[in-house]
Amino acid sequence: QSALTQPASVSGSPGQSITISCTGTSSDVGSYNLVSWYQHHPGKAPKVMIYEGSKRPSGVSNRFSGSKSGNTASLTISGLQADDEADYYCCSYAGSITWVFGGGTKVTVL
Amino acid sequence: QITLKESGPTLVKPTQTLTLTCTFSGFSLSTSGVGVGWIRQPPGKALEWLALIYWDDNKSYSPSLKSRLTITKDTSKNQVVLTMTNMDPVDTATYYCAHKVWQGYYFDYWGQGTLVTVSS
Repeated sequence: QSALTQPASVSGSPGQSITISCTGTSSDVGSYNLVSWYQHHPGKAPKVMIYEGSKRPSGVSNRFSGSKSGNTASLTISGLQADDEADYYCCSYAGSITWVFGGGTKVTVL
Repeated sequence: QITLKESGPTLVKPTQTLTLTCTFSGFSLSTSGVGVGWIRQPPGKALEWLALIYWDDNKSYSPSLKSRLTITKDTSKNQVVLTMTNMDPVDTATYYCAHKVWQGYYFDYWGQGTLVTVSS
């Protein structure tokens, strides 16, 4: 069970859209439509932004969207705002009641 | 409102056993479908899922750490306890407990985390 692969960093200007990829295997991302995405501001508790690949919890801005193709899931943030600057982690259910996280992506708003 | 809070030692010595407690409110771990998990984050590194316990006492562990981890629950106290044996400096991390959403596969509420340093 290896960590999912995410780019180390992604940046964009305010108002732009960015996409973070999350690549796993046929044993996790590819097998289940159960990828969740978490926003993590240092020193705070992680916050779920997307679950089951593309669903948004109540209260999460519709600027956040998720998708999946094969073994790769993606998180898109549109209309980038300063407060979006944080670390983002994907997480996939991996079967047998286990989960695997990605390596994390630092989003910088230029 | 669901809240979770981690507690335990801030400093442990190498080879010692770490015991962390997650005290929660706003839900019952005797309710069908409910689970509580542990996740950690070494300084400057990524989140890592460690273990999860279900309402029915079903348990699961990270394959890479399974031999060192034990997760238990005390439903009457609304607590989940994680023990990790043979601590090493590489286990220095912030440890989080989190509520697994009912009938779902993600963590919707997290504690603030507790930093555990492993050093002699």
